[in-house]
Amino acid sequence: GAVVSQHPSRVICKSGTSVKIECRSLDFQATTMFWYRQFPKQSLMLMATSNEGSKATYEQGVEKDKFLINHASLTLSTLTVTSAHPEDSSFYICSARAQTVNEQFFGPGTRLTVL
Amino acid sequence: AQSVTQLDSQVPVFEEAPVELRCNYSSSVSVYLFWYVQYPNQGLQLLLKYLSGSTLVKGINGFEAEFNKSQTSFHLRKPSVHISDTAEYFCAVRLNTGGFKTIFGAGTRLFVKA
Repeated sequence: GAVVSQHPSRVICKSGTSVKIECRSLDFQATTMFWYRQFPKQSLMLMATSNEGSKATYEQGVEKDKFLINHASLTLSTLTVTSAHPEDSSFYICSARAQTVNEQFFGPGTRLTVL
Repeated sequence: AQSVTQLDSQVPVFEEAPVELRCNYSSSVSVYLFWYVQYPNQGLQLLLKYLSGSTLVKGINGFEAEFNKSQTSFHLRKPSVHISDTAEYFCAVRLNTGGFKTIFGAGTRLFVKA
């Protein structure tokens, strides 16, 4: 149980395009989902926290207009990187908090490469 | 503010040798402590966690960690490593005040040699 999936696992796009990444909790309802980015050989940095049905809370320095987060249901959150540029290339990882368990579960990550 | 320091960026070790990955944290309030493992191009997998109770915590894959409040440490240990343990290991802290924000250390690359 407690599986989190991400789609796509890899995406390559041209500079200026927008990319949507989906994060799904497959067998539990997630009241809260988190989005992280990880640069090569570095740690995870929290970008934002999203609660179902409400606006996401962004960490300092993260542009909310560039990284659009939608948490429309208890099993799905999406991160849209708008007008992507090469410096947005990174590994994006989501995690989800189960309603009944004091723990978060991580997705497998999405590798974004912007050319 | 909370912070996590992983003292070693890389730890090379021979197969079947013991290993310790060090983690120190800083926080003005009590925290929960975690160790995660990340294999290449994958997400994070929880190895073990300390929430309360016994300071010696056993996790998956033969790993264990000991919470030392006075030294604000949570070092990860394994008595005998395998080649398959080669991965990135992250120490993390989370406030136990109800919020769910988790702060990660910079990571330690464990490289097990034959």
